[in-house]
Amino acid sequence: DAGVIQSPRHEVTEMGQEVTLRCKPISGHDYLFWYRQTMMRGLELLIYFNNNVPIDDSGMPEDRFSAKMPNASFSTLKIQPSEPRDSAVYFCASSHNSNQPQHFGDGTRLSIL
Amino acid sequence: QKEVEQNSGPLSVPEGAIASLNCTYSDRGSQSFFWYRQYSGKSPELIMFIYSNGDKEDGRFTAQLNKASQYVSLLIRDSQPSDSATYLCAVRLAPGTYKYIFGTGTRLKVLA
Repeated sequence: DAGVIQSPRHEVTEMGQEVTLRCKPISGHDYLFWYRQTMMRGLELLIYFNNNVPIDDSGMPEDRFSAKMPNASFSTLKIQPSEPRDSAVYFCASSHNSNQPQHFGDGTRLSIL
Repeated sequence: QKEVEQNSGPLSVPEGAIASLNCTYSDRGSQSFFWYRQYSGKSPELIMFIYSNGDKEDGRFTAQLNKASQYVSLLIRDSQPSDSATYLCAVRLAPGTYKYIFGTGTRLKVLA
């Protein structure tokens, strides 16, 4: 079975540019989660969706961040404009239901210069 | 602020020994508890999950949960160098939310 698929794997861009991260969850999973991981703060939940609907976006750091899930098989996390402090690894995860473990994609390593 | 605390390590154990990793959490209503392993530069990978007080064994791994003490641990028996990684404890908060809070992880080094 295909796991959670994220793209791109690496992104290097200049400050001020728009960045779009993409995620395809495991088929049949109803929950999708976006996380950010840094050395200082560890793994932080940014936002999660249930059946394509955003449920909790309290972890989104500021208005520069936005996330969408237009259908059950695709989600995006957008940063506009990007800043150097946004540099981190961004993970997408999905789960079948609320009580099942989350399965992570390989992550996108983002560097903002 | 809901918190999950782990000792950052590194925890060094000799090959073949038992590695004991600990995690405490602040939300008394927490329901589900997960251990993930993360190799450097890789994504977190689920090792075990536990919902009820007591022990749960899976191969060389044993998860232990004590809700009264708000404590969850992971034991790795017969540790191997390939077990060297960062172990993340994750706690699903009280019913009504599906958020996980992750600890910052404990780095384990198994010495050959």
